[in-house]
Amino acid sequence: DAGVTQSPTHLIKTRGQQVTLRCSPKSGHDTVSWYQQALGQGPQFIFQYYEEEERQRGNFPDRFSGHQFPNYSSELNVNALLLGDSALYLCASSFGTGAEAFFGQGTRLTVV
Amino acid sequence: KQEVTQIPAALSVPEGENLVLNCSFTDSAIYNLQWFRQDPGKGLTSLLLIQSSQREQTSGRLNASLDKSSGRSTLYIAASQPGDSATYLCAVRLRKTSYDKVIFGPGTSLSVIP
Repeated sequence: DAGVTQSPTHLIKTRGQQVTLRCSPKSGHDTVSWYQQALGQGPQFIFQYYEEEERQRGNFPDRFSGHQFPNYSSELNVNALLLGDSALYLCASSFGTGAEAFFGQGTRLTVV
Repeated sequence: KQEVTQIPAALSVPEGENLVLNCSFTDSAIYNLQWFRQDPGKGLTSLLLIQSSQREQTSGRLNASLDKSSGRSTLYIAASQPGDSATYLCAVRLRKTSYDKVIFGPGTSLSVIP
């Protein structure tokens, strides 16, 4: 079991660009959640996908969007990147929306 | 405002000591609470999950308790080891008809000295 896998592991983008991050859930899991973790802080909930629909959303602007595919994998898209978007982006998967969550190793995004 | 706090922010103990990490939350609509550890620059490793109907969970040297009435959870680590050095985060899932969200605390940075 590969667990939750995220790609890429590191990414450098220029302000104003767009970025796509990818997540493959743990085998058997159908729910994917995305989090943003700034340095020295706890993760902040961005949104959750279940049955290919966004089910819950945190306090993030519309520049943050996502998608879930039929195989339960997910993408996080961020448009018009700002310097403040630099963070570790974490993906978590679970079986159902309220079950124990398992996290990937994250994608470190740096916006310059 | 829904908040999750963790005390202390940082802790340094000699190897072998037992220790307690604290997590407090203000919203009573707790669905479950999960404790994680995070090594520098890495993802989160799940340690224990406590459902709102439970009072505690144990895994090896770890024991987590939940007191909904006081809005507190504690993570007890027995016989600490240098490999336990990491940041420990608690995550509270809140669920009502009007919202369903997960809120993380800021973490406790633990250092176990050999």
